[in-house]
Amino acid sequence: ETGVTQTPRHLVMGMTNKKSLKCEQHLGHNAMYWYKQSAKKPLELMFVYNFKEQTENNSVPSRFSPECPNSSHLFLHLHTLQPEDSALYLCASSQVGGQGGSPLHFGNGTRLTVT
Amino acid sequence: RKEVEQDPGPFNVPEGATVAFNCTYSNSASQSFFWYRQDCRKEPKLLMSVYSSGNEDGRFTAQLNRASQYISLLIRDSKLSDSATYLCVVNGNLDTGRRALTFGSGTRLQVQP
Repeated sequence: ETGVTQTPRHLVMGMTNKKSLKCEQHLGHNAMYWYKQSAKKPLELMFVYNFKEQTENNSVPSRFSPECPNSSHLFLHLHTLQPEDSALYLCASSQVGGQGGSPLHFGNGTRLTVT
Repeated sequence: RKEVEQDPGPFNVPEGATVAFNCTYSNSASQSFFWYRQDCRKEPKLLMSVYSSGNEDGRFTAQLNRASQYISLLIRDSKLSDSATYLCVVNGNLDTGRRALTFGSGTRLQVQP
């Protein structure tokens, strides 16, 4: 496989469920990201990991919990979500040197619906 | 003022037309600029980077105006397959002082036969 792969592609969960989104990159990049895209809104950066260390948490509620076990894998653990959390969740990776600014490569995204 | 601002459109143009999008950014210290393309219900994909001297890739031309803090994308000889949302992306400062790419809301292009 090449590029950035995300699973599952679609997820429907109740507000009391716990689920996890998975992302894997095969590009040899050293940074991984979670973005949220809601309808008619720009992409919102959620978390950034550089060399598997979290470097940014962009004021994301604690019901979203990221995990980065190594520089190729990224998870987003979800629990007690709200209906307004329904969105497209995109994982991305890039090769970062210094303060970033390298282009991002995105996965296909997970379309999440919270009922 | 939004960090990255784009006209949402939609821009409806006939096949073969030339169309241009502008994007303004607020952070004068931004160094990296990109245009991404996003098809409906798909992930964004890098279209081209934007260099200080301007750059061209086939029918696509990107330009940067640092003094006025805007970048532009020109598409010549539009094809039906160019129909998509075009996202302006700028590296911007987060509250922590570090930088990450900031996305505009996108400009929707619809090329009509």
